[in-house]
Amino acid sequence: GESVGLHLPTLSVQEGDNSIINCAYSNSASDYFIWYKQESGKGPQFIIDIRSNMDKRQGQRVTVLLNKTVKHLSLQIAATQPGDSAVYFCAEYIQGAQKLVFGQGTRLTINP
Amino acid sequence: DAGITQSPRHKVTETGTPVTLRCHQTENHRYMYWYRQDPGHGLRLIHYSYGVKDTDKGEVSDGYSVSRSKTEDFLLTLESATSSQTSVYFCAISGQGVDTEAFFGQGTRLTVV
Repeated sequence: GESVGLHLPTLSVQEGDNSIINCAYSNSASDYFIWYKQESGKGPQFIIDIRSNMDKRQGQRVTVLLNKTVKHLSLQIAATQPGDSAVYFCAEYIQGAQKLVFGQGTRLTINP
Repeated sequence: DAGITQSPRHKVTETGTPVTLRCHQTENHRYMYWYRQDPGHGLRLIHYSYGVKDTDKGEVSDGYSVSRSKTEDFLLTLESATSSQTSVYFCAISGQGVDTEAFFGQGTRLTVV
């Protein structure tokens, strides 16, 4: 069935360390994936996206990796800062259904 | 927030009353969306619009209707609010479609008592 989930609901890291947030998806026909960041009291904010014809995409301090073989997506944040504290959502675009399915989110906490 | 304004930001209403939430954009984007966010469910699409007077249902559309008479405004109406519709509602916009970057508003917290 359709599902986008996260391996861990919470993640705590030390400031300055790298963070890795994982996401599993079940629909092999999905061809577009997005990561969003949501700070408390705010709407989700686009971070980075990737299409299925790519394995890796880099942005500023963030990298998204896509492993289609095992249907796994990850978001890597380099040199984590206090401002990175938020809930991170992965979303999967299901072709044909014309919809974006969101995971339930991972809360990232940065320890000083 | 990419020129998106949701109103009201907070609302408490009684069961059985009609409620309308408004989303206003200044980006002239073609696509607009209404999502609801609930613990344990993430964000779920209620309805979306791909142009003026062009709308379609999302995955949780029962009990909701929408209208888009102008490019900049997308209204979400709960004809008869129920407690199960207590949620945080987000409007989003995108220029190209569902499979592209979307910009979200600040959200509306709706409580149905």
